[in-house]
Amino acid sequence: EAGVAQSPRYKIIEKRQSVAFWCNPISGHATLYWYQQILGQGPKLLIQFQNNGVVDDSQLPKDRFSAERLKGVDSTLKIQPAKLEDSAVYLCASSLVPGAANYGYTFGSGTRLTVV
Amino acid sequence: GQQLNQSPQSMFIQEGEDVSMNCTSSSIFNTWLWYKQEPGEGPVLLIALYKAGELTSNGRLTAQFGITRKDSFLNISASIPSDVGIYFCAGGTSYGKLTFGQGTILTVHP
Repeated sequence: EAGVAQSPRYKIIEKRQSVAFWCNPISGHATLYWYQQILGQGPKLLIQFQNNGVVDDSQLPKDRFSAERLKGVDSTLKIQPAKLEDSAVYLCASSLVPGAANYGYTFGSGTRLTVV
Repeated sequence: GQQLNQSPQSMFIQEGEDVSMNCTSSSIFNTWLWYKQEPGEGPVLLIALYKAGELTSNGRLTAQFGITRKDSFLNISASIPSDVGIYFCAGGTSYGKLTFGQGTILTVHP
């Protein structure tokens, strides 16, 4: 089966600019996650969707970050305006159902964002 | 919030040696998972543990879920150059959220 697709792979922007990342999960996976991985750290959950509804966005900096999954398939994550500390790899992951995360859901290759 | 402490931070070993790394938490998790991440890629699942005290193997990898559900270890036997990467432990909840450790960087010298 095809994996989780993310684009772009790399993005360099200036601080205060806006940026958007796109994720296409594995076909049929109802649950989608966005993680932020700062260099030298483990991934940190930003937001979890079940179909097109938000399950957990407690760690999403909502003053500048937003995410949507309008049709319950693809998802976009946006940062507006970006700060230097947003430089990180943004990972998307998907699973069939939330509990299936206990079986280790599938991660995409990520988008590496550099804010200068 | 929940935090996982993973050790060691890095390891430099010779090919053929055994490796051991561990993870501890102040919180109880339903599931412990071990991932490997290579440069430019997302984490890939190695082993998943579901029951306290469970010991699971996957080839040269062996992992255990601590009795208290607050810790886990991963062993790699007879290391090879392709074992190089960053190894992460992660604690999972029934709703799907994973909390990751800081990672262990493994370097294997031929």
